Amino acid sequence: KAGVTQTPRYLIKTRGQQVTLSCSPISGHRSVSWYQQTPGQGLQFLFEYFSETQRNKGNFPGRFSGRQFSNSRSEMNVSTLELGDSALYLCASSPREDPKETQYFGPGTRLLVL
Amino acid sequence: GENVEQHPSTLSVQEGDSAVIKCTYSDSASNYFPWYKQELGKRPQLIIDIRSNVGEKKDQRIAVTLNKTAKHFSLHITETQPEDSAVYFCAVGSNYQLIWGAGTKLIIKP
Repeated sequence: KAGVTQTPRYLIKTRGQQVTLSCSPISGHRSVSWYQQTPGQGLQFLFEYFSETQRNKGNFPGRFSGRQFSNSRSEMNVSTLELGDSALYLCASSPREDPKETQYFGPGTRLLVL
Repeated sequence: GENVEQHPSTLSVQEGDSAVIKCTYSDSASNYFPWYKQELGKRPQLIIDIRSNVGEKKDQRIAVTLNKTAKHFSLHITETQPEDSAVYFCAVGSNYQLIWGAGTKLIIKP
């Protein structure tokens, strides 16, 4: 099976713009989680989707949003970008209904906000 | 909410020696404890996990121990090799999410 894919891989934006990132999970996986990774901060949980429903959300401002489509592909959107949003954004899919177990990560989208 | 602390932030060991990384957590209801390895420029990959009803789990040179009473768990790597160089993350699972430690950079000295 193909692994988790994310597009684009790299992105440069300026403050105030918005951005949409895409994640395609492994075929058959219905759970998709999103994380923000910054140096020294580990992975910060953004949100998780299962069968098009957001089941859990981390402590991020409302500028961060997401959705999941019927084919399990997921997108996340960040509006009104700030310099501090520069990070590696990772998505992970899981074959289990409980997404915390056996997560398979994509390669990430590296976002730079200037 | 859950809080996860991971120590040390950097660990340097001689090739062939053992490495131990420790994580503590705060929520006694947490029931799943995975460890992920992230090599430079690559995605995190699950290397071992343990559930709250088990005290220890081994897989070749790696092992994880869990002390539920003290709310801490540790990753043990024996006979370290150059390919073990990476950042290791612990995580704690409860409800439908993982809360992650800040990571430990493991350096294997030749």
